[in-house]
Amino acid sequence: QSALTQPPSASGSPGQSVTISCTGTSSDVGGYNYVSWYQQHPGKAPKLMIYEVTKRPSGVPDRFSGSKSGNTASLTVSGLQAEDEADYYCSSYAGSKNGGVFGTGTKVTVL
Amino acid sequence: QVQLVQSGAEVKKPGASVKVSCEASGYTFISHAISWVRQAPGQGLEWMGWISTYNGNTNYAQNLQGRVTMTTDTSTNTAYMELRSLRSDDTAVYYCARGAFAGNGAFDYWGQGTLVTVSS
Repeated sequence: QSALTQPPSASGSPGQSVTISCTGTSSDVGGYNYVSWYQQHPGKAPKLMIYEVTKRPSGVPDRFSGSKSGNTASLTVSGLQAEDEADYYCSSYAGSKNGGVFGTGTKVTVL
Repeated sequence: QVQLVQSGAEVKKPGASVKVSCEASGYTFISHAISWVRQAPGQGLEWMGWISTYNGNTNYAQNLQGRVTMTTDTSTNTAYMELRSLRSDDTAVYYCARGAFAGNGAFDYWGQGTLVTVSS
């Protein structure tokens, strides 16, 4: 199972928005509405930010939003803040045989 | 509050085995699957597999089939991941997480991670 494709980096100034893409295939992202997004700060465990494409866990700011079109999912961070600077990973269910797969990761820099 | 507490760092020689534990608290253990994810130094996340804490069913990543075994002990609310025939490229931080791709695809709580170093 190949990793989902994400851009290596993305950046924006405080208050701006940044959107990260996550491209898979019809066997994973395009085939199921089980796309999640994780935020990981250096030396820390990942934190769930979005699940089932668009849902936010309790406590996650509404500045974070998710969407999907075809085989590509996206995470948008609006009103960028300094603490949003981190690595972001998408993931998707890929069927009962393959389980699931993570994206390659995107480093978000707040300028 | 939900917590997953993992065992401490390990240093192993190539060819050896390692067993990492993950003790859960703050919720009903058998109500949520446990998944294992690893991260090599400076690299991305890699899904290793998951185990049903309810009936012990497992699903392992194809590239680890035959080398990995996931188990649980419901009497102590602890999940275990054993990796055998260790190689240098198994050096990574190993995480347990609550949830499974086969559920809603989300891992909502994570352990603190266990660094496993494989070196001769």
